Amino acid sequence: LAKTTQPISMDSYEGQEVNITCSHNNIATNDYITWYQQFPSQGPRFIIQGYKTKVTNEVASLFIPADRKSSTLSLPRVSLSDTAVYYCLVPGAGSYQLTFGKGTKLSVIP
Amino acid sequence: ETGVTQTPRHLVMGMTNKKSLKCEQHLGHNAMYWYKQSAKKPLELMFVYNFKEQTENNSVPSRFSPECPNSSHLFLHLHTLQPEDSALYLCASSLLTSGATYEQYFGPGTRLTVT
Repeated sequence: LAKTTQPISMDSYEGQEVNITCSHNNIATNDYITWYQQFPSQGPRFIIQGYKTKVTNEVASLFIPADRKSSTLSLPRVSLSDTAVYYCLVPGAGSYQLTFGKGTKLSVIP
Repeated sequence: ETGVTQTPRHLVMGMTNKKSLKCEQHLGHNAMYWYKQSAKKPLELMFVYNFKEQTENNSVPSRFSPECPNSSHLFLHLHTLQPEDSALYLCASSLLTSGATYEQYFGPGTRLTVT
């Protein structure tokens, strides 16, 4: 399984753009990078997934450089309801397991 | 609503009890998962079922016994649990394809307390 490293916590004011970077130095050729969001006492929720360059959906963007050893989740104009833990996951070659690390606890301040 | 339901949402049981957790997915997925999330710890993958066959068992104690009668239902049978087994138990499902995009849909979880 590919190991990921992301900041333990981040603070942001409402309305700002938040960028959370994850490093995954030993990502395998066929691995996708997936981000999840989790609120307290709830199951994680899929946010976005990508393989290379840039992916955008209605809630976030994912930027992946050419070497794919890192990725950045971008949340535009965060609100208080975006306060949650964000997980970056890379399963590793030949596996469909998802290993959740400690994630990044994002606190949005009024 | 993610299309994955879990019952019960809360469960309190003694160490000598036997109980079961139920998970049902309405998404047409072919893989189902049990996770455990203890306080202030990362989610831990417990079991994986792919097309009703158990393919992963991450060294889970035998007091936890999974059952997957079909691709839509998943059970976790509990017996003689310990207080340290108190946690949020999450069920998830996904559609495994050759592309393997790993998008898992999680249920709301069962909050288990062992007394």
